Amino acid sequence: RKEVEQDPGPFNVPEGATVAFNCTYSNSASQSFFWYRQDCRKEPKLLMSVYSSGNEDGRFTAQLNRASQYISLLIRDSKLSDSATYLCVVNGDDKIIFGKGTRLHILP
Amino acid sequence: EPEVTQTPSHQVTQMGQEVILRCVPISNHLYFYWYRQILGQKVEFLVSFYNNEISEKSEIFDDQFSVERPDGSNFTLKIRSTKLEDSAMYFCASSTRDTTEKLFFGSGTQLSVL
Repeated sequence: RKEVEQDPGPFNVPEGATVAFNCTYSNSASQSFFWYRQDCRKEPKLLMSVYSSGNEDGRFTAQLNRASQYISLLIRDSKLSDSATYLCVVNGDDKIIFGKGTRLHILP
Repeated sequence: EPEVTQTPSHQVTQMGQEVILRCVPISNHLYFYWYRQILGQKVEFLVSFYNNEISEKSEIFDDQFSVERPDGSNFTLKIRSTKLEDSAMYFCASSTRDTTEKLFFGSGTQLSVL
């Protein structure tokens, strides 16, 4: 099983819709989880950390399911500017591991 | 907002040449990282650095690679003899704590090996 696995997409979603993606991880000892956003040929930027109790930041909600070893990201009322690649990031064995990312295209 | 800065933004080199990629992490950060991303592929961990030594490295980080913190502000990645497959975007990152803490990335150096 890959360390961090994501559906690569692309997800093509109309503006205003809600979209969700998951990410699974293999190391049950992982302690920290993050969602980063990466625009084309740019550096990854932190979108939000993912806490055990789940957390929300405006239109974005992140959840962690330790039993099933996955994290999720929900985007409500999607905007054109949400078009990007969303990277699932997990720490494990003293290094931070990135998923391959899920590409999201918001359609006007 | 403080940021991680990387220079140069683009580097073109001939196969077999040495390159040094430079980074200035955020000043109060203690943990430093190099990642690379080959075009169209995922961000891959290369090395982490803390307290003036390597704390973790990946299998990609072989003897051709080295890192240094030559002074209090710079953090460099050296590739001794570049190969074609070293062509990638190289990102430097830093954080205040260990891997439980979020990373701040520089804007990257695009390395092209011809």
